[in-house]
Amino acid sequence: AQSVTQLGSHVSVSEGALVLLRCNYSSSVPPYLFWYVQYPNQGLQLLLKYTTGATLVKGINGFEAEFKKSETSFHLTKPSAHMSDAAEYFCAVTANTGNQFYFGTGTSLTVIP
Amino acid sequence: DAGVIQSPRHEVTEMGQEVTLRCKPISGHDYLFWYRQTMMRGLELLIYFNNNVPIDDSGMPEDRFSAKMPNASFSTLKIQPSEPRDSAVYFCASSLGWDSYEQYFGPGTRLTVT
Repeated sequence: AQSVTQLGSHVSVSEGALVLLRCNYSSSVPPYLFWYVQYPNQGLQLLLKYTTGATLVKGINGFEAEFKKSETSFHLTKPSAHMSDAAEYFCAVTANTGNQFYFGTGTSLTVIP
Repeated sequence: DAGVIQSPRHEVTEMGQEVTLRCKPISGHDYLFWYRQTMMRGLELLIYFNNNVPIDDSGMPEDRFSAKMPNASFSTLKIQPSEPRDSAVYFCASSLGWDSYEQYFGPGTRLTVT
């Protein structure tokens, strides 16, 4: 069984500050992990993914995430927040045995000017 | 590629009416997914197809919901009869499958049942 927990349904940061969105997963098999972003009235867009190999993965718009197996975490970070980063962010997990994704409940990011 | 295409983008209907949502996946993608998003329940997987065959429909809320995929380039999600609690945004997504698991989402259909 697989699941994802996103800590904090709402996160506010000042423009230029560090963005940290937390994601912890549960998986009985090696996980594939994803972060998606959803802007208002739009579909989900892939930010980055981890499948195998390097545990620090870089995505679009300056975001990156690090897979930490010992902590079962896949936190999303960005060094400096921009106003355009305001959106809903979803963490998701799947296994290499199938295609079913398990999404977290989402974290709404607000960027304060 | 144009990405995943969904129609209509918005649908307003009265309770009891039949609603059909449509999806065209990205060409060459073997998997197609239907999701529902609400404030209360978040993003829920309703059903997914592999090579046009339904694989897991355990997320379909009840018999009023049905989904079909008659060919590789088209899928429908039907609600009959519709109820106000079906109001949500419905997303279609597709993926290549093995070794490339990321799902590509359409823009969604916002359904309002009055």
